[in-house]
Amino acid sequence: QVQLVESGGGLVKPGGSLRLSCAASGFTFSDYYMSWVRQAPGKGLEWLSYIGTSGSTIYYADSVTGRFTISRDNARNSLYLQMNSLRAEDTAVYYCARGLHDLDCWGQGTLVTVSS
Amino acid sequence: EIVMTQSPATLSVSPGETATLSCRASQSVSSNVAWYQQKPGQAPRLLFYGASTRATGIPARISGSGSGTEFTLTISSLQSEDFAVYYCQQYNNWPPYTFGQGTKLEIK
Repeated sequence: QVQLVESGGGLVKPGGSLRLSCAASGFTFSDYYMSWVRQAPGKGLEWLSYIGTSGSTIYYADSVTGRFTISRDNARNSLYLQMNSLRAEDTAVYYCARGLHDLDCWGQGTLVTVSS
Repeated sequence: EIVMTQSPATLSVSPGETATLSCRASQSVSSNVAWYQQKPGQAPRLLFYGASTRATGIPARISGSGSGTEFTLTISSLQSEDFAVYYCQQYNNWPPYTFGQGTKLEIK
């Protein structure tokens, strides 16, 4: 079955970096756009970024532009989010999701906590 | 950036009854709206795209409608598994894709 599994979350100090991974299975990963969405504790959903099938098309939300970098490795069926210059307001559960517009499959999320 | 406003923030409905959730866009988004359901501790689940097209496995008692700036999610014959938070999302003017703040559907 279609499955997305995130990893790499944890506790990091302000200004620090973290790299999230998302392992995909059950579908042809290279055929799909992929996205990252986050959810701060007790809050709603915030779209962060998407990447095209080959990795050449990328967009970011203003809130993470210049600090976060999305990438993918189609040979490894994996999606990544490199997060630099982390701030307290980046504390959230980070989800990877399949799709560009409507997101039809989501991982279980990985928690990132930015705190000193 | 398009703002999606959902109402009400919380909706209390009895099992077996019908719930109507609303989502309004700050400008026209055509029919480029998706709806998601999220239960506590779980990831969101796609319910509808194109405002009214059901995603895989979504029962017919749940329907989506609307276009332009006004959208509605209707859930009839409410069952225990329907009580959750629902989000609308526009993908007409992007980036960024924007979500509503959510409507919590709770048991009355």
